Amino acid sequence: AQSVAQPEDQVNVAEGNPLTVKCTYSVSGNPYLFWYVQYPNRGLQFLLKYITGDNLVKGSYGFEAEFNKSQTSFHLKKPSALVSDSALYFCAVRIRAGGNNRLAFGKGNQVVVIP
Amino acid sequence: DTGVSQNPRHKITKRGQNVTFRCDPISEHNRLYWYRQTLGQGPEFLTYFQNEAQLEKSRLLSDRFSAERPKGSFSTLEIQRTEQGDSAMYLCASGTGSSYTGELFFGEGSRLTVL
Repeated sequence: AQSVAQPEDQVNVAEGNPLTVKCTYSVSGNPYLFWYVQYPNRGLQFLLKYITGDNLVKGSYGFEAEFNKSQTSFHLKKPSALVSDSALYFCAVRIRAGGNNRLAFGKGNQVVVIP
Repeated sequence: DTGVSQNPRHKITKRGQNVTFRCDPISEHNRLYWYRQTLGQGPEFLTYFQNEAQLEKSRLLSDRFSAERPKGSFSTLEIQRTEQGDSAMYLCASGTGSSYTGELFFGEGSRLTVL
């Protein structure tokens, strides 16, 4: 089955330190991978995507993610975390079935940035 | 605000009652998705519309669930004879294009509590 896994439930990081949120994928063919963020009482917001090309993709709010085919990973990173980055982060993969496309999400990671 | 709008934001109902949620996508977005999210889990795909055509339904969508998108604009999700297990956040998302390389725009969700 095509899916993504987010192995950690919560990531705690001190403000100003690097932030990494892990994601591994299992897909047939070339993966289309996405990260979304959910702030409290807000809808999910798109951060970035990997479709093809450079393995390092840059997105919104200073986030970036590295696609690693050999490790089947797509970890989200930010060099210096802010308290305002505290939120729920979801990794997602495009599922193509019967000619239709949809996203399959991981369970999410709660990120807590400690002042 | 020209984002995805969902109503009502919160619905409390008794078991056995019917409920209906409405989603107004971003205008000109031809793709519309419904997802369900429970606590500690990522969004789970329910159904997909391209314009007015319902092209895919998840096995999660029992015969008590029905979704429509008349005229390819707003969409409704109806749950008949609600059960306590239906308690969740119901998310709507919209996007453009026929192939999946673009981002989805999510509404803030409609939270259902079944007593």
